[in-house]
Amino acid sequence: DAGVIQSPRHEVTEMGQEVTLRCKPISGHDYLFWYRQTMMRGLELLIYFNNNVPIDDSGMPEDRFSAKMPNASFSTLKIQPSEPRDSAVYFCASRGSTDTQYFGPGTRLTVL
Amino acid sequence: GIQVEQSPPDLILQEGANSTLRCNFSDSVNNLQWFHQNPWGQLINLFYIPSGTKQNGRLSATTVATERYSLLYISSSQTTDSGVYFCAVGAGNNRKLIWGLGTSLAVNP
Repeated sequence: DAGVIQSPRHEVTEMGQEVTLRCKPISGHDYLFWYRQTMMRGLELLIYFNNNVPIDDSGMPEDRFSAKMPNASFSTLKIQPSEPRDSAVYFCASRGSTDTQYFGPGTRLTVL
Repeated sequence: GIQVEQSPPDLILQEGANSTLRCNFSDSVNNLQWFHQNPWGQLINLFYIPSGTKQNGRLSATTVATERYSLLYISSSQTTDSGVYFCAVGAGNNRKLIWGLGTSLAVNP
């Protein structure tokens, strides 16, 4: 299996622009998680899905952030408009029948 | 909510040394995982261990759920063990994990 796939790996954008991060979970996994990692706040769960349905989005920082999972093999995290304080590494993870979470390589976002 | 504390925050070892990392949590959990984040940022799951003891090569972990702590043992450390070790816990039916701040490990040759 290819593992969790994220794209792009790096993104540099200017303040005010829309940013879309993409994730393909491991085939057969029914849970998908979006995390953000910063030096100041560590790893934070933003949102997670079960069978493509958002279950807990309490970690989404504000209305500028939105996430979708249109099918079992694809999810997006969108930031519109982006701000410099959104700069972070964004991870996607998935899990299947066990509780073990498997992480993608992350997307390093820099907002100038 | 559940609080997760990891100790020590930083650790420097010489290659070949052994170490013990600790994770304390403030409430009952039914999910506990240890992760390693390597210097390139990749997060790798090491153990799923809500209770009991597991071993994988030079690494082993023990969780004493009744006393609300878990230990990660690294024996005969190698430079490739460097990175940050995270403990993450979950409780109830909610699948979200609560993360500690990690232990940053540097293994010197």
